[in-house]
Amino acid sequence: DGGITQSPKYLFRKEGQNVTLSCEQNLNHDAMYWYRQDPGQGLRLIYYSQIVNDFQKGDIAEGYSVSREKKESFPLTVTSAQKNPTAFYLCASSTGQETGNTIYFGEGSWLTVV
Amino acid sequence: DQQVKQNSPSLSVQEGRISILNCDYTNSMFDYFLWYKKYPAEGPTFLISISSIKDKNEDGRFTVFLNKSAKHLSLHIVPSQPGDSAVYFCAASALWFGNEKLTFGTGTRLTIIP
Repeated sequence: DGGITQSPKYLFRKEGQNVTLSCEQNLNHDAMYWYRQDPGQGLRLIYYSQIVNDFQKGDIAEGYSVSREKKESFPLTVTSAQKNPTAFYLCASSTGQETGNTIYFGEGSWLTVV
Repeated sequence: DQQVKQNSPSLSVQEGRISILNCDYTNSMFDYFLWYKKYPAEGPTFLISISSIKDKNEDGRFTVFLNKSAKHLSLHIVPSQPGDSAVYFCAASALWFGNEKLTFGTGTRLTIIP
């Protein structure tokens, strides 16, 4: 079945540590995205990538980093510089550069900083 | 600066009645609008969309209305069913430096009362 796989689903991190969230898609989509969901804030765009080896900052990129070495993979690293990392993280993908492309989401990853 | 607003954080509707969820936007560059449904601890799933050249789109029990002059859209669910209880996100799409970017509202939690 085609889809987006995020892992791990639940992750605990100590303050000061970096952590990487995995996102893999087999939909052959060009574009991939990372969103963060906080209560009362909706979904906010962290980073997105339209093609391999290229990515752009979204609205809240500070404290995060990404890579896009393969079309199907778009991992997100939450660095120790991210001041408020506890959140629900969603990876998504779409076909790309026209509006109206449906974006497909993964199941999400819960990150808790302890 | 919230470009997509869902002013009702929650809504309760009797089973069998109509649910109406509202969304307002401020950016005239948005040209495609989508509604997503989200259950707790899961990724959002696409529900229905509408292009800015239309004012209505219908899919089964779901209808989306777009009023461009008022920069307002609404999602109607009729009849409402218990499985419709979820958080609904409105999203607006625009090309941003040649790439599609989705901006989400803060969500409305719909509860269907049996």
